[in-house]
Amino acid sequence: DAGVIQSPRHEVTEMGQEVTLRCKPISGHDYLFWYRQTMMRGLELLIYFNNNVPIDDSGMPEDRFSAKMPNASFSTLKIQPSEPRDSAVYFCASSSSGGISYNEQFFGPGTRLTVL
Amino acid sequence: QKEVEQNSGPLSVPEGAIASLNCTYSDRVSQSFFWYRQYSGKSPELIMSIYSNGDKEDGRFTAQLNKASQYVSLLIRDSQPSDSATYLCAVSQGGSEKLVFGKGTKLTVNP
Repeated sequence: DAGVIQSPRHEVTEMGQEVTLRCKPISGHDYLFWYRQTMMRGLELLIYFNNNVPIDDSGMPEDRFSAKMPNASFSTLKIQPSEPRDSAVYFCASSSSGGISYNEQFFGPGTRLTVL
Repeated sequence: QKEVEQNSGPLSVPEGAIASLNCTYSDRVSQSFFWYRQYSGKSPELIMSIYSNGDKEDGRFTAQLNKASQYVSLLIRDSQPSDSATYLCAVSQGGSEKLVFGKGTKLTVNP
């Protein structure tokens, strides 16, 4: 089975540009999570969705960040305008509410974002 | 903000030894506890889940949970150089699907 898919794997952009990160969760999973990882702050939850509906976006750092999930198999995280402090690795993860192994989240390979 | 604390390490053990990784958490109503392994430049990989007090064994890995002490640990027996990675402890936040991650413990297994 395919795991969580993210694209692009690497993104280098200049300050002020719009950045769009993409994620395809594991088929059948009803939760999708966006995380950011930096050396200083570790792994931080930005936002998560349940059945395509945003449940908690309290981790989104500011209005420059937005996320959508138009259907069960696709989500985007957009940064507009981007700033150098947004440089980090962004991970998407998904999980299923069914079964006995609840809360188990599976991570995609991540997108390494560099904003110059 | 609920917290998950881990010793950042680095923890260095010789090949074949037992590596012991520890984690404490602040949310008393947490129900789910996880250990993830993250190799340098890679994504976190789930290696153990534990939901009730006591021990859970899977191959060379044993997770231990003590909810009264708000403590969860991971033991790696017969450590191998391939176990060298950062180990992240994750704890569910209240009754939600959210996980709070510790900052990780870097483990080095020396041949």
